[in-house]
Amino acid sequence: DGGITQSPKYLFRKEGQNVTLSCEQNLNHDAMYWYRQDPGQGLRLIYYSQIVNDFQKGDIAEGYSVSREKKESFPLTVTSAQKNPTAFYLCASSSPGDRGGDGYTFGSGTRLTVV
Amino acid sequence: QKEVEQNSGPLSVPEGAIASLNCTYSDRGSQSFFWYRQYSGKSPELIMSIYSNGDKEDGRFTAQLNKASQYVSLLIRDSQPSDSATYLCAPLGYGNKLVFGAGTILRVKS
Repeated sequence: DGGITQSPKYLFRKEGQNVTLSCEQNLNHDAMYWYRQDPGQGLRLIYYSQIVNDFQKGDIAEGYSVSREKKESFPLTVTSAQKNPTAFYLCASSSPGDRGGDGYTFGSGTRLTVV
Repeated sequence: QKEVEQNSGPLSVPEGAIASLNCTYSDRGSQSFFWYRQYSGKSPELIMSIYSNGDKEDGRFTAQLNKASQYVSLLIRDSQPSDSATYLCAPLGYGNKLVFGAGTILRVKS
């Protein structure tokens, strides 16, 4: 079955440490996105990529980095520059098409906690 | 003004009633609109999309769109306790990106 796989499900980061969150999709979608969700709040866009080897900053890119070397993969690195990284991270993909296609498909998320 | 406004709730309805969830948006250029359901601790899942003014029905769900008023709503008929979740409204904005509202918490009481 096609879908998006995020790993790990839970991740603990020490102060000053970089960590990388994995996102892989087999839906043949061109576009991929990373969102952050804090308790009781909506989704905020971190980075997005509409084609391989290209990506753009979203609304809250500071302290994060991404790469898009393969169509299937869009890993997110949370760097030590991100001062408050504890949150629920969601990866999504889409095949925009006409009128936005079928919207976004989301992975199951990674819950990151600073210890 | 936020790009997408939703009443945060919680909206409480008794089992079997109609739940009405509302959303307003600021981008007049938005042409496509999506409703997502998110259970606590889980990722959002798509439940409805609507592109044209009027109503679109899918089972117990009806999406309503009024582009002139920049208003989109979701009705859930015969609400069930399993419908208790946060509902996210998401218009398609510039660059084919969805813009998410903060969501409305729905609680269906049995």
